[in-house]
Amino acid sequence: SQQGEEDPQALSIQEGENATMNCSYKTSINNLQWYRQNSGRGLVHLILIRSNEREKHSGRLRVTLDTSKKSSSLLITASRAADTASYFCATDDGSGNTGKLIFGQGTTLQVKP
Amino acid sequence: DAGITQSPRHKVTETGTPVTLRCHQTENHRYMYWYRQDPGHGLRLIHYSYGVKDTDKGEVSDGYSVSRSKTEDFLLTLESATSSQTSVYFCAIRGRGESPLHFGNGTRLTVT
Repeated sequence: SQQGEEDPQALSIQEGENATMNCSYKTSINNLQWYRQNSGRGLVHLILIRSNEREKHSGRLRVTLDTSKKSSSLLITASRAADTASYFCATDDGSGNTGKLIFGQGTTLQVKP
Repeated sequence: DAGITQSPRHKVTETGTPVTLRCHQTENHRYMYWYRQDPGHGLRLIHYSYGVKDTDKGEVSDGYSVSRSKTEDFLLTLESATSSQTSVYFCAIRGRGESPLHFGNGTRLTVT
């Protein structure tokens, strides 16, 4: 069953602009994670936010979590061509096992130089 | 990459044949996972392991079996491949606590 739904499915921006991706989920969670996938490669972990946190930063990444709305957003500031990739949100299944993840379908980001 | 290797990287096989995909890690992590990635479905968990000889089913386990006889190796077997199992298969490993997943680069399997 699909837990995370991501919006938009595709996003195209110019280098230097900010990119915002949204994720909604259905059930209670312990944490939410964001991953990036470059074409032909495995996913790479970006950031984890716990259910009791509202915002988290890592470099040019800013993640917010609103558990009342069951939604999260990923903001990439000052985007670069190298940020071109697919981005996935993933939630745990409530068991506490942070590897048993339920992934959204992803947002494909294209950053034009 | 976090010391995780998948083999083969690409495989084409015929319907009804058995197929085994291998995941090898050098991180000595306890947890290992097999996911499949399909357009329109994101990634879905097939099976996972929480130790040698300790495995459990994920969301889409029908038609798949796994084995883990050593910490470093996690095998995924399709006993009789079907066209619906055409997919990209990813292995992932995880350390303790809230450690995130580290993924291999995937195996692209085509069942004709």
